[in-house]
Amino acid sequence: SQQGEEDPQALSIQEGENATMNCSYKTSINNLQWYRQNSGRGLVHLILIRSNEREKHSGRLRVTLDTSKKSSSLLITASRAADTASYFCATDGGSGTYKYIFGTGTRLKVLA
Amino acid sequence: NAGVTQTPKFQVLKTGQSMTLQCAQDMNHEYMSWYRQDPGMGLRLIHYSVGAGITDQGEVPNGYNVSRSTTEDFPLRLLSAAPSQTSVYFCASSYGQGAVGYTFGSGTRLTVV
Repeated sequence: SQQGEEDPQALSIQEGENATMNCSYKTSINNLQWYRQNSGRGLVHLILIRSNEREKHSGRLRVTLDTSKKSSSLLITASRAADTASYFCATDGGSGTYKYIFGTGTRLKVLA
Repeated sequence: NAGVTQTPKFQVLKTGQSMTLQCAQDMNHEYMSWYRQDPGMGLRLIHYSVGAGITDQGEVPNGYNVSRSTTEDFPLRLLSAAPSQTSVYFCASSYGQGAVGYTFGSGTRLTVV
């Protein structure tokens, strides 16, 4: 399996601080996605970045992709207590299909 | 617009029993998948479908069957439940071929005793 791996596994920060989490993967990809999962709920799609893109923004989210290092990072700026969740990256393995493989996730806790 | 609907939300089975987890989407999505989520393991792909009548295996297909007779429905069948299948199961659907993200259901929490 070319499962992505998120780093760190857990992160605890104060409200207002920035949170950065990283994802590494093993094979070439067409695109990479980030998802959020609140406790006991389904996953919610946050952002998709294609292999020919290096950076993408959506509100307080900033995603970077370095295909030479096979890694991506998700930055959440000015974090809020409501950002407390698990964050997962998912990659398509370069197959061009929607057969996405998910990482094990980063558990983010934002303290008020 | 309901999105992806999974039923039941909770289920307890005895070892050896069979059951079907239901998944339905009303977004006319071509692509549907089943994942299981276990603590510390992330999400693992069980089976997926690229359209009605077409299914394929994911990372952990053993012990599960699927079928896709309509665009809307993608049921997951446990043939003979085992304690190792205790997990949270998520169904997800997508419109494009990797162009957009998945829409996930709220999950089915299954316990096999």
